[in-house]
Amino acid sequence: DVKVTQSSRYLVKRTGEKVFLECVQDMDHENMFWYRQDPGLGLRLIYFSYDVKMKEKGDIPEGYSVSREKKERFSLILESASTNQTSMYLCASRNTGREETQYFGPGTRLLVL
Amino acid sequence: GEDVEQSLFLSVREGDSSVINCTYTDSSSTYLYWYKQEPGAGLQLLTYIFSNMDMKQDQRLTVLLNKKDKHLSLRIADTQTGDSAIYFCAEYYGNNRLAFGKGNQVVVIP
Repeated sequence: DVKVTQSSRYLVKRTGEKVFLECVQDMDHENMFWYRQDPGLGLRLIYFSYDVKMKEKGDIPEGYSVSREKKERFSLILESASTNQTSMYLCASRNTGREETQYFGPGTRLLVL
Repeated sequence: GEDVEQSLFLSVREGDSSVINCTYTDSSSTYLYWYKQEPGAGLQLLTYIFSNMDMKQDQRLTVLLNKKDKHLSLRIADTQTGDSAIYFCAEYYGNNRLAFGKGNQVVVIP
């Protein structure tokens, strides 16, 4: 079974803090994704990575950056957290050529005060 | 981005069938998916259908795809209390992108 894990289930940070959200997958997938999920808005893609050190902006990249130094790990960085970044953050991974399966982690619920 | 529409809420009695509907916009989508999200959890891939299929059955789940109307449905037979969740449909529209609907909350009444 594919396993996608996220470093924290719940996180509380203050406005202006730098925040790191970590995601690790154990199935050697090339592609990894960060989404945020908000009530009434569904899932929106922030960034994705198709290989080590490669990244591409999603639909809402503003205020975020990412890092993929190793294949199994994809980090989402909030350089200066703001209250409108309070959300549920979901990481996902998928193999190239296997578009039929994209697996998600359990999510990190971030509250920015 | 692509637009995927779902109705928001469905209540169903335990043992009945439930049907969740979804419309999508990209006729060139190759894969369409149904995900389940239980409270406080991530998304679990339930099933998917390739665009050259009309129907796919997997135990209690039946997926119907109407490409002409760009309509996707998920039928859950013999609905159980453990089926209470939010269900998301999604379409793959290329370049590593999935577009998700806003989700449909299903509440199963014992």
